[in-house]
Amino acid sequence: GAVVSQHPSWVICKSGTSVKIECRSLDFQATTMFWYRQFPKQSLMLMATSNEGSKATYEQGVEKDKFLINHASLTLSTLTVTSAHPEDSSFYICSARDDRGEKGYTFGSGTRLTVV
Amino acid sequence: QKEVEQDPGPLSVPEGAIVSLNCTYSNSAFQYFMWYRQYSRKGPELLMYTYSSGNKEDGRFTAQVDKSSKYISLFIRDSQPSDSATYLCAMSSVSNDYKLSFGAGTTVTVRA
Repeated sequence: GAVVSQHPSWVICKSGTSVKIECRSLDFQATTMFWYRQFPKQSLMLMATSNEGSKATYEQGVEKDKFLINHASLTLSTLTVTSAHPEDSSFYICSARDDRGEKGYTFGSGTRLTVV
Repeated sequence: QKEVEQDPGPLSVPEGAIVSLNCTYSNSAFQYFMWYRQYSRKGPELLMYTYSSGNKEDGRFTAQVDKSSKYISLFIRDSQPSDSATYLCAMSSVSNDYKLSFGAGTTVTVRA
């Protein structure tokens, strides 16, 4: 089946530093990937839509300068949390839509970010 | 009113029982319907994918989509303790750039 690899699975960083999270589709191409944030016991909140070769589309209320998204190839999207603060601590998950269509969306295993 | 409504539960059933989950939605443009299982601190795992109306079966899982009623269901037969998780319904459409709209998720516990 389709596999999306997300790294790192967890990261602890100091306040003010930046953290990069990678999302890679291993056995399919994905022009479109999505980045979510999930708080405990809540559903996923869409942050942005990442499109290969073009700028990401951010949801209302999400700071594009803080959450930098790069989708440099059909199999890789990255999310960089810049100047992280404790309130950015959360579970971040990516998903990828198979370009072949009609395959559903595959999610990564998530990244738990803790900013201290 | 939320675009996708899902009873958050919790739902507790004995091992071997049938688990019945459902979602209703308001956007008639939705074409693609999915069910995901999510364990704590993990990413959602795709269980079932359905395009438009109809039924689909895969092992112990059966998904049903009734677009006329804007209602989707997931049935889990012969439930096992390992099925204990949160189940999320999700749907999307071309008109919304394929963004997924999620239900709140139903927490299911299967008692041994």
